[in-house]
Amino acid sequence: EPEVTQTPSHQVTQMGQEVILRCVPISNHLYFYWYRQILGQKVEFLVSFYNNEISEKSEIFDDQFSVERPDGSNFTLKIRSTKLEDSAMYFCASSERPAGNTEAFFGQGTRLTVV
Amino acid sequence: QKEVEQNSGPLSVPEGAIASLNCTYSDRGSQSFFWYRQYSGKSPELIMFIYSNGDKEDGRFTAQLNKASQYVSLLIRDSQPSDSATYLCAVNGKTSYDKVIFGPGTSLSVIP
Repeated sequence: EPEVTQTPSHQVTQMGQEVILRCVPISNHLYFYWYRQILGQKVEFLVSFYNNEISEKSEIFDDQFSVERPDGSNFTLKIRSTKLEDSAMYFCASSERPAGNTEAFFGQGTRLTVV
Repeated sequence: QKEVEQNSGPLSVPEGAIASLNCTYSDRGSQSFFWYRQYSGKSPELIMFIYSNGDKEDGRFTAQLNKASQYVSLLIRDSQPSDSATYLCAVNGKTSYDKVIFGPGTSLSVIP
């Protein structure tokens, strides 16, 4: 069964460092998303990406965040200068159509720990 | 006003009973409503989605939507211990069809 793959599963970084979280969406999907979940809190929308551009972003997704689809298979989230409060589980998701009218498939997540 | 609200629980039900999970949302223009299940430390997985007022059934699960009341619920019949998880209600935004907002989740515990 096709699945969304995220690497690494766990990333520890020092405050102020840049991190790149990687995702391989399901191959025939066109819509890509990043969500985050701080421990014990709700899943929060960060950004959606379609046709090589951001289609929607939340207030959380400020200038320290960026997304990229560098090739035909990868979708990345970059955090430029990490803060302690960026520690969370980051989920990548993808869907065939906009997530508002179809199932979005989630990857297993990357747990980011900023120390 | 919070966009999607759920009772945090925990909700405990005995095995074989019906579990009822509730969700309210603030954006009257929302069109799509989702129930995800999340096991501890795992990613969300879709149980079902509903667009129209009324009931939608899928196996042991029934989603109910009342747009006038801005209310959506999930019933789990014949609850099993494996149903023990956090159930996330999610709603798409009025102005964007690809932004889905999650509620805080309700923790369900099914007691054998």
